[in-house]
Amino acid sequence: QQQVKQSPQSLIVQKGGISIINCAYENTAFDYFPWYQQFPGKGPALLIAIRPDVSEKKEGRFTISFNKSAKQFSLHIMDSQPGDSATYFCAASRGGGGTYKYIFGTGTRLKVLA
Amino acid sequence: EAQVTQNPRYLITVTGKKLTVTCSQNMNHEYMSWYRQDPGLGLRQIYYSMNVEVTDKGDVPEGYKVSRKEKRNFPLILESPSPNQTSLYFCASKLAGRYEQYFGPGTRLTVT
Repeated sequence: QQQVKQSPQSLIVQKGGISIINCAYENTAFDYFPWYQQFPGKGPALLIAIRPDVSEKKEGRFTISFNKSAKQFSLHIMDSQPGDSATYFCAASRGGGGTYKYIFGTGTRLKVLA
Repeated sequence: EAQVTQNPRYLITVTGKKLTVTCSQNMNHEYMSWYRQDPGLGLRQIYYSMNVEVTDKGDVPEGYKVSRKEKRNFPLILESPSPNQTSLYFCASKLAGRYEQYFGPGTRLTVT
């Protein structure tokens, strides 16, 4: 019930294409769903996040789509660029900002071809 | 510069030799946490702390200890490391009441 399942494990996209990464969760108590971007040799960095009271959040080329009834959320990267090549992790947290429990997906390695 | 720092960045040790990985943040964050990252498993939370002298187990606490004696520091202690603790370790911190967490650069640990 605490798992967050992420797919695909790896993804290759042409420059200018759309990258889509999916995550599914089981615990309905989760109330914060972030996506992290990690470059080789670096720590994960927050990319974009959503709360379950909205179905979509967009920041530049990055969009989170959230389906509460299906318990799924996805990251869409529009106009993908070679600089977007990185590993992406979805995550889920619960209990409001007053706790520090995080469950991460297993990661998606994205490669954008020039 | 606001940051989370970890030391050492790389460590090779032998089974059973006690080690400590330090973590420090300069953002006055109340909450700090340790994660390990393994291929195919993503990041898994080891321990976290919500304030000085307040710590709690994450999902994979076995074989690890932590302490929080100062707000800025949260060391990770492996009293008797084993090869299955070979991993990439990240420290992170965040403000109480906020969701956003900030990660350190990582410590790559190899236990032979």
